[in-house]
Amino acid sequence: GQSLEQPSEVTAVEGAIVQINCTYQTSGFYGLSWYQQHDGGAPTFLSYNALDGLEETGRFSSFLSRSDSYGYLLLQELQMKDSASYFCAVRDPDSWGKLQFGAGTQVVVTP
Amino acid sequence: NAGVTQTPKFRVLKTGQSMTLLCAQDMNHEYMYWYRQDPGMGLRLIHYSVGEGTTAKGEVPDGYNVSRLKKQNFLLGLESAAPSQTSVYFCASRKSGNGQETQYFGPGTRLLVL
Repeated sequence: GQSLEQPSEVTAVEGAIVQINCTYQTSGFYGLSWYQQHDGGAPTFLSYNALDGLEETGRFSSFLSRSDSYGYLLLQELQMKDSASYFCAVRDPDSWGKLQFGAGTQVVVTP
Repeated sequence: NAGVTQTPKFRVLKTGQSMTLLCAQDMNHEYMYWYRQDPGMGLRLIHYSVGEGTTAKGEVPDGYNVSRLKKQNFLLGLESAAPSQTSVYFCASRKSGNGQETQYFGPGTRLLVL
């Protein structure tokens, strides 16, 4: 079957660094995306990796290893506003951009 | 630009009632998607559309129907609501083409079926 695994919750203090891992087992793979969702809000796109390696966007970076079916999202210089749920999502290899989401990781940032 | 909008924001239904959720986008995106999100779970794809007049089933399509008569609108229908359909429903849209990986989500519709 198809599955994505990510930790359910991570707690860290302001200014710290948090890494959210995502492992996937899917019948097809085109790329890995990350979305952020604040309580009660809409998911918003953070990053996308199609190739192995690290993509950096400001304080957030995302990494992919296709051979290991593994990726991670790195949140640096944590701020209180980073408290949210973070979802990894595998994009299907067809042309329609369909995503399969993991269950999400709740990041709690404490003072 | 309003982006992606959804109506209604919240609705309570009784078992067996029907309703339609409306999603509208003003970004001229070709692709649109309907997801449901349940507590402690990620989003699951219900149906999607790759253009006006086309629809296709996603991961959890049973109990739902969709229509895309206009490019900017994607409707999700529940013909006979069941308590298992209590959920938060999100619509998303995406531009077609390589490199267009961002899905833009609406604010969601919270549905309670009693």
